[in-house]
Amino acid sequence: DSGVTQTPKHLITATGQRVTLRCSPRSGDLSVYWYQQSLDQGLQFLIQYYNGEERAKGNILERFSAQQFPDLHSELNLSSLELGDSALYFCASSVGVGRGEKLFFGSGTQLSVL
Amino acid sequence: DQQVKQNSPSLSVQEGRISILNCDYTNSMFDYFLWYKKYPAEGPTFLISISSIKDKNEDGRFTVFLNKSAKHLSLHIVPSQPGDSAVYFCAASATYGQNFVFGPGTRLSVLP
Repeated sequence: DSGVTQTPKHLITATGQRVTLRCSPRSGDLSVYWYQQSLDQGLQFLIQYYNGEERAKGNILERFSAQQFPDLHSELNLSSLELGDSALYFCASSVGVGRGEKLFFGSGTQLSVL
Repeated sequence: DQQVKQNSPSLSVQEGRISILNCDYTNSMFDYFLWYKKYPAEGPTFLISISSIKDKNEDGRFTVFLNKSAKHLSLHIVPSQPGDSAVYFCAASATYGQNFVFGPGTRLSVLP
């Protein structure tokens, strides 16, 4: 158990809909990251937050947004969903943003867009 | 444009033998590398890391080798055990940031 909690584990929805994925980082971790893993693809970095502030942005679509709340949990919002958004979404956390920080991953949310 | 490549999607090895997983990168700014292991229905877990100031790092049965001139790293598992069967991701980060770029993964199957 990594200590990172993601909910829900599975999500099935229809095209055009909006969903929210939730992540609770490990106790004491200030950084939260979101990654997307599509079929046969590596982990694509989406976005990082540190202590409530956006730290870095990767290949995140404009239809997607995220935020980190004062209690450090984070939510990833996906809107106007398309079939291609079906993927496994991972949240990870780390203590800070220093060099060499290890990431601790949650078990992911499997999103299926039908 | 894949900055981190793992050209072998899968690898099968006999129990007790050596497993060698390879990773190539294109960005010369990468200077910190990690390997993660992922079992089905679980998130990736950290396995071993190496900084560019080293060319080898060892942790028990796991050794990572880095060849900076070739922009290549490899993970050696000796001896391989059935419990090592998983998907292995190589990841890299550059000095200007922490955000790791992950490769597509290699599925290792260790046969008893």
